[in-house]
Amino acid sequence: QQKVQQSPESLSVPEGGMASLNCTSSDRNFQYFWWYRQHSGEGPKALMSIFSDGDKKEGRFTAHLNKASLHVSLHIRDSQPSDSALYFCAASASSGSWQLIFGSGTQLTVMP
Amino acid sequence: GPKVLQIPSHQIIDMGQMVTLNCDPVSNHLYFYWYKQILGQQMEFLVNFYNGKVMEKSKLFKDQFSVERPDGSYFTLKIQPTALEDSAVYFCASSSGGDTLYFGEGSRLIVV
Repeated sequence: QQKVQQSPESLSVPEGGMASLNCTSSDRNFQYFWWYRQHSGEGPKALMSIFSDGDKKEGRFTAHLNKASLHVSLHIRDSQPSDSALYFCAASASSGSWQLIFGSGTQLTVMP
Repeated sequence: GPKVLQIPSHQIIDMGQMVTLNCDPVSNHLYFYWYKQILGQQMEFLVNFYNGKVMEKSKLFKDQFSVERPDGSYFTLKIQPTALEDSAVYFCASSSGGDTLYFGEGSRLIVV
């Protein structure tokens, strides 16, 4: 079983809509989370990290972590076509991201 | 933002031959990583490297793989000999030891 599971595999939202992505760690040691975004033909780029229970907001992006269930979500408000990309959740056993384990990704398409 | 450069961007190589993938990490970063991605899907951790040593490696980091960073130059991934299943995009990443990995644009390796 993979340590980090993501859902859904793919997601389509209209421009201006809200996109919600989910991620769960199956290993209680891996409880430090990141969200990365990868546009086609590029390397992944970090969007944000979240280590504490609750919400963390950066611009249009809000991450929510529930440490008890090891569930983290990413919500993208006012989605733009440029947000269309592969979104990865990644988890580590420490805040130093020493061995970052990635989920299988959610392909987001924002329709103009 | 900080840039990780990878050379070459693409390489086609005959099975059994040696290949070296080069990475110029972010200046002043001390932690280096290689990840493997097949068909634009999951990012799979291969190895991390610090202070001239491999700190952790995954099962994907076969005996044919090696990494080094001689005298602070490129951080390299060498595969010798290559196999068909080594075809993938290899991403180098670096970090300062903090919470964010910075990835390069990837080296696409095709083994024929």
